Amino acid sequence: DGGITQSPKYLFRKEGQNVTLSCEQNLNHDAMYWYRQDPGQGLRLIYYSQIVNDFQKGDIAEGYSVSREKKESFPLTVTSAQKNPTAFYLCASRPAYMNTEAFFGQGTRLTVV
Amino acid sequence: DQQVKQNSPSLSVQEGRISILNCDYTNSMFDYFLWYKKYPAEGPTFLISISSIKDKNEDGRFTVFLNKSAKHLSLHIVPSQPGDSAVYFCAATSYNTDKLIFGTGTRLQVFP
Repeated sequence: DGGITQSPKYLFRKEGQNVTLSCEQNLNHDAMYWYRQDPGQGLRLIYYSQIVNDFQKGDIAEGYSVSREKKESFPLTVTSAQKNPTAFYLCASRPAYMNTEAFFGQGTRLTVV
Repeated sequence: DQQVKQNSPSLSVQEGRISILNCDYTNSMFDYFLWYKKYPAEGPTFLISISSIKDKNEDGRFTVFLNKSAKHLSLHIVPSQPGDSAVYFCAATSYNTDKLIFGTGTRLQVFP
């Protein structure tokens, strides 16, 4: 079935360690997105990519990095520079340059202790 | 700078009545607007959208209204059902940037 998959569902890391969250889609979408959700903060855009080997910073990119080596994959690395990494992370995809909806994965809950 | 705002954090409506969720935006370049429904610890699911060339779009119990001059959109749910209880997010984007911005969400509770 076509869809967007985030793994793992829950992730625990020690403070100071980098961690990479996976996002894979088989919808043949060009555009992919990473959001962070905190209580009362809504969905805040971290990074997005419209095409392979290119990506743009969102509103809260500091402390995060991404890569887009394949159309299907858009991994997010939470670095030790991110001051408050504990959050719920959501990945989405949609066709680029088209007014249409985005499809979301089920999210990854990252807890840094 | 919050480009998409949902000023009501919560809304409580009786079953069968109308639910009206509001959203304001500041960027006049936005040309496509979406509403999503979200349950805790899950990804949002798409509900309905509207292009800036329209002022209304309907899909079953859901209707979205767009007032471009006021930079305001609203989602009407009629009749409201207990299963509609969730957090609702509005989102906006423009064709030429693909940057998809979400609001802070409104928690809707529909009680019997």
